[in-house]
Amino acid sequence: NAGVTQTPKFRILKIGQSMTLQCTQDMNHNYMYWYRQDPGMGLKLIYYSVGAGITDKGEVPNGYNVSRSTTEDFPLRLELAAPSQTSVYFCASSYNGRPNQPQHFGDGTRLSIL
Amino acid sequence: KNQVEQSPQSLIILEGKNCTLQCNYTVSPFSNLRWYKQDTGRGPVSLTIMTFSENTKSNGRYTATLDADTKQSSLHITASQLSDSASYICVVSATDNAGNMLTFGGGTRLMVKP
Repeated sequence: NAGVTQTPKFRILKIGQSMTLQCTQDMNHNYMYWYRQDPGMGLKLIYYSVGAGITDKGEVPNGYNVSRSTTEDFPLRLELAAPSQTSVYFCASSYNGRPNQPQHFGDGTRLSIL
Repeated sequence: KNQVEQSPQSLIILEGKNCTLQCNYTVSPFSNLRWYKQDTGRGPVSLTIMTFSENTKSNGRYTATLDADTKQSSLHITASQLSDSASYICVVSATDNAGNMLTFGGGTRLMVKP
């Protein structure tokens, strides 16, 4: 039961570098999400997708980009990394996005920008 | 602005004792409230979900209550175990089928000591 898989688990970047955080799910869920979690703060939605080919901004999208070419994969791209993007990033998925459907989370990518 | 406030921020209890975590929210229009458990280094996992008409929901030793009039929820843990050491996150959903209307609390970090 893989569920939601995120890679890498840890990464250190230099300011100005770029990278892609990978997320894949094997539950055939339509909805996928990217969140960031800062210490002591609630998760903040970066981007979400309601299906292949469709993405939309969340609460904190600046500095990030996403794509959804397949149902399974939802990568998050950081361009020109900045120290403010140091955080733990979580990918999640849900069947149809309705509030009564739980979101299933991956185990996160811990990213440090130095 | 939708907000979810949790208290206490952290809590230490002895194994076998009970504890209660609090969640106050100002989210409108309210759809449901969910409690998640997040183990260190892992993603959140759903424990309970309650809609407007439900005032209590149990999952093993976890019992959540909801007072929609006062906009308060609590999570009661009975006969705590070492494995209960984790962060507990209160998440409130507004009525939006796009799945982008979740408001996360900052969590309560619980430590259970032997």
